[in-house]
Amino acid sequence: DTAVSQTPKYLVTQMGNDKSIKCEQNLGHDTMYWYKQDSKKFLKIMFSYNNKELIINETVPNRFSPKSPDKAHLNLHINSLELGDSAVYFCASSQDFFRSANTEAFFGQGTRLTVV
Amino acid sequence: ILNVEQSPQSLHVQEGDSTNFTCSFPSSNFYALHWYRWETAKSPEALFVMTLNGDEKKKGRISATLNTKEGYSYLYIKGSQPEDSATYLCAYSLFSGGYNKLIFGAGTRLAVHP
Repeated sequence: DTAVSQTPKYLVTQMGNDKSIKCEQNLGHDTMYWYKQDSKKFLKIMFSYNNKELIINETVPNRFSPKSPDKAHLNLHINSLELGDSAVYFCASSQDFFRSANTEAFFGQGTRLTVV
Repeated sequence: ILNVEQSPQSLHVQEGDSTNFTCSFPSSNFYALHWYRWETAKSPEALFVMTLNGDEKKKGRISATLNTKEGYSYLYIKGSQPEDSATYLCAYSLFSGGYNKLIFGAGTRLAVHP
């Protein structure tokens, strides 16, 4: 059983398209995240949800819209894809991170998005 | 701007060597320091989460120390094995604006050669 699973693993699409990446966690965690691995290999936080509520929204173009239908899912929708959106996107979850920052994060395996 | 610096960027060692790397982070507003191990084509996995100055944690041949006053943490691997080859990430938990978030370093890439 995969604790944090994201699909698809690879996504190749043309500029201008709209695409979604799905993430699900079966750990019963309250907090979920989307991270982007940038060109220098840093993991940069994009969004965080706690119990379906948006808590962190870093400086991310509004073409990126997270949606959390329930606390086990956090999907990432991207409109009008651009070449610069090509990256690896990681979903993660942790148990109520906002009250207890010493709890570890569990990561999905990443989605490699290539915009051509 | 809050940066987490990791050094060295990459490291090649022979099997059996012991090694260590450094994570430097801002000492203000410190909440927790996380270490993750990230193997190629897999997800980052948590090794340690440390919160108190002077904390030392150990898991098998891997251990970590924390100095929150001067803003650094060391990760040690004793008797490196090829299966220790991975990128080791540290992340600093910043509490700001009423919530916590993890700021990651770029990682130290370790290659252990048989």
